[in-house]
Amino acid sequence: EPEVTQTPSHQVTQMGQEVILRCVPISNHLYFYWYRQILGQKVEFLVSFYNNEISEKSEIFDDQFSVERPDGSNFTLKIRSTKLEDSAMYFCASSEQGNRETQYFGPGTRLLVL
Amino acid sequence: DAKTTQPTSMDCAEGRAANLPCNHSTISGNEYVYWYRQIHSQGPQYIIHGLKNNETNEMASLIITEDRKSSTLILPHATLRDTAVYYCIAASQGGSEKLVFGKGTKLTVNP
Repeated sequence: EPEVTQTPSHQVTQMGQEVILRCVPISNHLYFYWYRQILGQKVEFLVSFYNNEISEKSEIFDDQFSVERPDGSNFTLKIRSTKLEDSAMYFCASSEQGNRETQYFGPGTRLLVL
Repeated sequence: DAKTTQPTSMDCAEGRAANLPCNHSTISGNEYVYWYRQIHSQGPQYIIHGLKNNETNEMASLIITEDRKSSTLILPHATLRDTAVYYCIAASQGGSEKLVFGKGTKLTVNP
């Protein structure tokens, strides 16, 4: 069964450093998403991406964040200058056209900012 | 999107049916009810969704009341692996594609 994959599974970085989280969505899906979950809190939407552009973003997704689909398979989330409060699980998800709310999530990347 | 209300936690015995309720009294006519679950520290997993008819798939059944103000997710024969947080989400197809997760119901399946 096709699945969303994410790398790395864990990332430790120093405050102020840039990090790139990578995702490989399900191959025939056209919509891509990033969510995050701070420890003990709700899963929060960050951004959705379709047709090589952002279609929706939350207030959390400020200028420090960017997304890219550099090739036909990868979808990345970049945090330019990490803050302590960026420590969280980051989940990538994808969905197919016509059924965007049925989203398939990856296993997540646990980011720890020191 | 309509707000949903779920109990904070529930317990169920292994092998028995788990019935998870959700209230969505302000749901609009074009909003579907989606259920996801999150097993500890894993990514959310899609379970099922419906508009007004009852739905069943290999994972669960979804019963939606006639007035659509509430629904119940049924896991017919719960196993220990079904221990997870279950989220009920109201979302309109074709509207905003973001999923708004609440706190969900923590289901514990006991041996």
